[in-house]
Amino acid sequence: QKEVEQDPGPLSVPEGAIVSLNCTYSNSAFQYFMWYRQYSRKGPELLMYTYSSGNKEDGRFTAQVDKSSKYISLFIRDSQPSDSATYLCAMKTGGNNRLAFGKGNQVVVIP
Amino acid sequence: DTAVSQTPKYLVTQMGNDKSIKCEQNLGHDTMYWYKQDSKKFLKIMFSYNNKELIINETVPNRFSPKSPDKAHLNLHINSLELGDSAVYFCASSLSGTGNTEAFFGQGTRLTVV
Repeated sequence: QKEVEQDPGPLSVPEGAIVSLNCTYSNSAFQYFMWYRQYSRKGPELLMYTYSSGNKEDGRFTAQVDKSSKYISLFIRDSQPSDSATYLCAMKTGGNNRLAFGKGNQVVVIP
Repeated sequence: DTAVSQTPKYLVTQMGNDKSIKCEQNLGHDTMYWYKQDSKKFLKIMFSYNNKELIINETVPNRFSPKSPDKAHLNLHINSLELGDSAVYFCASSLSGTGNTEAFFGQGTRLTVV
């Protein structure tokens, strides 16, 4: 079983729709949970960061962490064509900065 | 004012060659990383250095040798390149410690072995 599972299937949505992405993980020592956004031919950039369980909102983006289910989610409201990118979940323990990434979801928002 | 810069951006080379990729960060971070992203976009850590000391060394063929001359630089040397080494290699940096130690990534080096 991989440390972090993220269904890599591409996702196409119409502009204005809600995008829902999720990851599951197996290592209960993970405490810090992140979502990175990667535009084509660019490096990943941090989008959302959450410590332990709970929700975090930043504009149109909401990250949720459920440690009891080992499940994290990212929601994008009122999606825009500029949101078209690959979204990677990532997580780490408190012991070091080794990030374990999911496979990434390619999201396409159609105008 | 690039934060994490890698050179070259593109590298096409023949099997069996030896090549190097360079990385520099001007963020004042003390930890640097090399990640490999395969054709399916899966990003996997290879190495991490903290203050020039190797702290993470994942299962990577020993043809790959990182070198950190100082905490702002981390280079990757690859010997005897193989077709399977074709991928995008990302350098990243962060501060050490717990908490929100955001990793900043470079633009990537697209390596193609022919």
